Amino acid sequence: GAGVSQSPRYKVAKRGQDVALRCDPISGHVSLFWYQQALGQGPEFLTYFQNEAQLDKSGLPSDRFFAERPEGSVSTLKIQRTQQEDSAVYLCASSLTVVEVTYGYTFGSGTRLTVV
Amino acid sequence: GDSVTQMEGPVTLSEEACLTINCTYTATGYPSLFWYVQYPGEGLQLLLKATKADDKGSNKGFEATYRKETTSFHLEKGSVQVSDSAVYFCALKDGGSQGNLIFGKGTKLSVKP
Repeated sequence: GAGVSQSPRYKVAKRGQDVALRCDPISGHVSLFWYQQALGQGPEFLTYFQNEAQLDKSGLPSDRFFAERPEGSVSTLKIQRTQQEDSAVYLCASSLTVVEVTYGYTFGSGTRLTVV
Repeated sequence: GDSVTQMEGPVTLSEEACLTINCTYTATGYPSLFWYVQYPGEGLQLLLKATKADDKGSNKGFEATYRKETTSFHLEKGSVQVSDSAVYFCALKDGGSQGNLIFGKGTKLSVKP
């Protein structure tokens, strides 16, 4: 596609519910990142994929968070047993090559998750 | 660890005023530096970047110079427009990292006609 597509755009979950957030990167992009942006804050790194390999998951805040990219294209961020502190905008970003990340990459519009 | 500090907002200016948003960083290596902009209801967009000391990034009338001696990357524009109203984020990528960006907290700019 022309840009990084994320769905759903908005998600309201009851506390304790599991959610799945989808990211469809630009076709052919090798690198894919997930970020969490709390209200009034800058994005914080969650995890990084190079093709289907998850090379860095150091930013995932707990074992309730899980991400996958099984075929090296679409990625899903799953949050189990959601808590109120999980409420945030979840951003996905991709870039064509590993080297290109030095020059910035393309973000999606994000999924706003509200846990009630 | 690496970090980015940018001036607190919100910043409110009149159209055609000069803008400076301060950004300083702490990094162990030789980072690349970025400014991203987030317009209301939209995703983050890369505004400009600089990959080494003394580089100047520029785009849409905005400029920022990578100052290693002061570890700064201040965003400037000589004459702002109403359409520049947005949240601006300073960010760095450490040279040794996989590519994840470290962001500042953002500065909200409102430009009044």
